[in-house]
Amino acid sequence: NAGVMQNPRHLVRRRGQEARLRCSPMKGHSHVYWYRQLPEEGLKFMVYLQKENIIDESGMPKERFSAEFPKEGPSILRIQQVVRGDSAAYFCASSGQATNEKLFFGSGTQLSVL
Amino acid sequence: SQQGEEDPQALSIQEGENATMNCSYKTSINNLQWYRQNSGRGLVHLILIRSNEREKHSGRLRVTLDTSKKSSSLLITASRAADTASYFCATDSGGYQKVTFGTGTKLQVIP
Repeated sequence: NAGVMQNPRHLVRRRGQEARLRCSPMKGHSHVYWYRQLPEEGLKFMVYLQKENIIDESGMPKERFSAEFPKEGPSILRIQQVVRGDSAAYFCASSGQATNEKLFFGSGTQLSVL
Repeated sequence: SQQGEEDPQALSIQEGENATMNCSYKTSINNLQWYRQNSGRGLVHLILIRSNEREKHSGRLRVTLDTSKKSSSLLITASRAADTASYFCATDSGGYQKVTFGTGTKLQVIP
């Protein structure tokens, strides 16, 4: 049973380009969370999605960032017109239920903006 | 803002000693979880304690929860060099609420 799969593992973009980060949750999981982590810091919540629905996007910047979790396929975190400050590790986690369930994390995508 | 705050921020101990990390949170919770993160990797779930539980054990891990003080502690007994990692607490307020993480404790176990 494959765990949470994130790709790419590393992504390098120049300022102004778009970054697309993918996350395939564990089989049978319908809840996906995206977190962002700067070096030596904790995880900052970005967005919580269910299949085809955004449940909570309170941690996501209003501009340039968007997320989706379609009925078929992986969840996508999209960052348009990247800036240097977007450089960070982005982690995806999934769970089977909304409550009382542990999160299973992917290995993350390290985004570097040149 | 972060829900949880871990204390200490960093901890360095000798192999074989016990390591205690604390977590304080702000709002009422449904459960509290502890995770471990090795450098450059994703988080791994260690243990979950529900709001109606006061103590839980798993191998060398012992977690306590005091909801009146809004705090939890993680004790790792007989530490090993392989326990070197960052440890995070995470809180879940129930329902369709996001799980939020604390700032983490960086543990170094010296062989």
